[in-house]
Amino acid sequence: ETGVTQTPRHLVMGMTNKKSLKCEQHLGHNAMYWYKQSAKKPLELMFVYNFKEQTENNSVPSRFSPECPNSSHLFLHLHTLQPEDSALYLCASSQQSGQGANEQFFGPGTRLTVL
Amino acid sequence: GENVEQHPSTLSVQEGDSAVIKCTYSDSASNYFPWYKQELGKGPQLIIDIRSNVGEKKDQRIAVTLNKTAKHFSLHITETQPEDSAVYFCAAEFSGSARQLTFGSGTQLTVLP
Repeated sequence: ETGVTQTPRHLVMGMTNKKSLKCEQHLGHNAMYWYKQSAKKPLELMFVYNFKEQTENNSVPSRFSPECPNSSHLFLHLHTLQPEDSALYLCASSQQSGQGANEQFFGPGTRLTVL
Repeated sequence: GENVEQHPSTLSVQEGDSAVIKCTYSDSASNYFPWYKQELGKGPQLIIDIRSNVGEKKDQRIAVTLNKTAKHFSLHITETQPEDSAVYFCAAEFSGSARQLTFGSGTQLTVLP
């Protein structure tokens, strides 16, 4: 256990559905991240939140909508997805400080299949 | 932005042999380089990291070397064991405002018994 949990672990949805992915960290960290992991490709950073404020959106389509209600919880709301959005979605957290990047702790991921 | 190249994409070694995975990066301002191991059905887990003020770091059977001039760093695993079989990712810190990590494309390591 890394202290980062994600639910659900598996999700199958149609292109017209609306669903949400949830991430929770129990580490007292102040930064949280969403990554997309597709086969044969590097992890792609999607969103970064620092102290609940979104600090990065790496040109992610608007059909992905993040929400960070507090520093321990992170959501990814999904609507009208495409089959190419099928992937493993990973959440991570870290303790950001002025001294540079620190270890990111990853959750187990949500395996998303879009039909 | 940062670009990280990782080689090889697959690597098979006999149990007990050494394994080496290499990465290069493009942003000369990067100064943090972690290595992650991802087992099937799990998220990536940090196994070792190095900062730019050192050239080598070792933790039991795992070591990482960094050459800032050439902008490359390597993971070395000695006396490999079957449980070392996994996908390994290198990463480099992107010196943007949020200190993000840019990941390599991964190496599938298989240790043959």
